[in-house]
Amino acid sequence: NAGVTQTPKFQVLKTGQSMTLQCAQDMNHNSMYWYRQDPGMGLRLIYYSASEGTTDKGEVPNGYNVSRLNKREFSLRLESAAPSQTSVYFCASRPPGLNEQFFGPGTRLTVL
Amino acid sequence: GESVGLHLPTLSVQEGDNSIINCAYSNSASDYFIWYKQESGKGPQFIIDIRSNMDKRQGQRVTVLLNKTVKHLSLQIAATQPGDSAVYFCAEYSGGSNYKLTFGKGTLLTVNP
Repeated sequence: NAGVTQTPKFQVLKTGQSMTLQCAQDMNHNSMYWYRQDPGMGLRLIYYSASEGTTDKGEVPNGYNVSRLNKREFSLRLESAAPSQTSVYFCASRPPGLNEQFFGPGTRLTVL
Repeated sequence: GESVGLHLPTLSVQEGDNSIINCAYSNSASDYFIWYKQESGKGPQFIIDIRSNMDKRQGQRVTVLLNKTVKHLSLQIAATQPGDSAVYFCAEYSGGSNYKLTFGKGTLLTVNP
């Protein structure tokens, strides 16, 4: 089991560029989540997906879109990147019936 | 609004000592609480959780205490080791079917050899 994988690990964008952050899990989990982590702050939920085919907004969804492509994959898209989106992005998944969320290694994004 | 906060942003201890990391929460309706450990450059890793109807829960070298009267949560690490150096987050779950967590800002634990 690879667990939760994220690509890329690092990315630098210019303001206005677009990109998609990829996340995949091989644990057959239904629920998946996208968080951002800024210096000195805890993780903030951007979007989540309770199951394949469903997505919902979290605490800070503005400027982002998501796609739950299938049970394994949950992608996060920035259509027009802004410097305020400079952050570390974490994807997580959760098995049914358990409280624990399993996190990926993160993507460090810098928007110039 | 509801929030999960931490009393101390940093904690430095000697190897072998016990560590106590504190967390204050404001949502009295939270169902359970989780402690996560995040090492530098890695994603958060689950340590232990506790349901709101419990006062104490023990794991391997870790104990979580929940005081609902003062809305306070603590993580105790026994015989702290250098490998315990990390940022520790508490998170709360306040209900709903999608298990959304609210995270605190984190405490940096440094273990000195």
